[in-house]
Formats: sequence, C-alpha cells, structure tokens
Amino acid sequence: KAGVTQTPRYLIKTRGQQVTLSCSPISGHRSVSWYQQTPGQGLQFLFEYFSETQRNKGNFPGRFSGRQFSNSRSEMNVSTLELGDSALYLCASSRPGQGGTGANVLTFGAGSRLTVL
Amino acid sequence: GQQLNQSPQSMFIQEGEDVSMNCTSSSIFNTWLWYKQDPGEGPVLLIALYKAGELTSNGRLTAQFGITRKDSFLNISASIPSDVGIYFCAGKGTMGFGNEKLTFGTGTRLTIIP
Repeated sequence: KAGVTQTPRYLIKTRGQQVTLSCSPISGHRSVSWYQQTPGQGLQFLFEYFSETQRNKGNFPGRFSGRQFSNSRSEMNVSTLELGDSALYLCASSRPGQGGTGANVLTFGAGSRLTVL
Repeated sequence: GQQLNQSPQSMFIQEGEDVSMNCTSSSIFNTWLWYKQDPGEGPVLLIALYKAGELTSNGRLTAQFGITRKDSFLNISASIPSDVGIYFCAGKGTMGFGNEKLTFGTGTRLTIIP
C-alpha cells in the first residue's frame, strides 16, 4: 500500500513569506503528526491531528499551524517565514490500535525540505 | 524542546563489526522505538518495544527496553554497507492512550570504513 506522501519535496522561500505543506497519510490512518528536523535541534514535535482536531501541540510559535481534513489529509502552514525555519518538515501517520498496549507506531513520509533565504 | 540522550553521536566501523548504541531519558516511557534515516528520506521504523525488559530482534538488529523504562539499547550484528545512516531512538510517554507525541534522541551517525 502507498506510504505517507508529502508535497512538495523541496521548496525555497524568502523571509516574510508563508508556506503550506501537504501530507497524505497511509490509507486507514487517522492520526497525522508533524515534526521539524534541523541539524541543531534534531527532530522536534510540532503538532498532531486526529479526526480533524488538533490533539497535541509542541512548543512552536503561533506562526506554525496546521489542519486536517475529513479524508485525514493534513496541511501545515508557516507564516512570516524566518531564516531559522529552514528545515526538513516530516509528516507521520498512524492507525489507532496498531501495535501493542495501545501504542501507535508512526510511519514517516520523506519530508518537505524548506529553505528560507 | 525535550530530547533523549543518545550515544554515541557517531561511529566509524569496519564492515562485519557489531554496533551498539543506547538512549537514556530522565522520564519514564511506555514505548521505545528505533528508527533509521537515510539521506533525503524520512525515518523508517526498525523495532518497536512495548514492555520493560522486552528484547526484540529484527534480522541482525536487536533492541531492548530497559527495566527502569528510562533507557533502551540497539545492537546491530555483522554490519553491512547498507547499515550506513542515522539511527534515532524515540520514546512515547505516559500521556494516555492515543497520544502520538514522540520524543526523539539526538541520533547516532553510522559510517562504515572501507
């Protein structure tokens, strides 16, 4: 079955612009999480959506936002881009109940690499 | 943001050697996961651990969920060139069923010397 699909794979923006990234989860997966990966900070949790509702949120400013649609596809938006927003943005999906003891294993997409100039 | 302490940061080994890496946390986790990331790709799950003391294998990979629930270990036996990459541990805490937030380790970069 198809994996997690993220678009676009690469994009370049300038400071002050905004960007929208898209994620299509594995069919049947209803939870979508977003992570930011940078060389200095590693993988940092942004937020998680389940059934169109934000269920968890990391420690990022309000410029970072997201949403989930009824078909479980998700988008994240970053407004007023800063140089420090340059990163690989990873989306991961999971299906409730997969795995033992209620733990839901995340499957990651290949990421969207954002460069802010 | 919170991160797990993962060591070593990097390893340079020869093909055929065994590899060991570990993660420690100040917090208790209910789940430990080990991922591998190749350049330009997202992390791929290697092993998932759900119970303290659990020892799980996936081919040449073996991982253990520490008894204290604050650490985990990954071993790779007889390394081969395709093992090159960055290995991440990740822990999931006790915030209840369905909580998806993972805390990631800082990564171990594995390089195989010809």
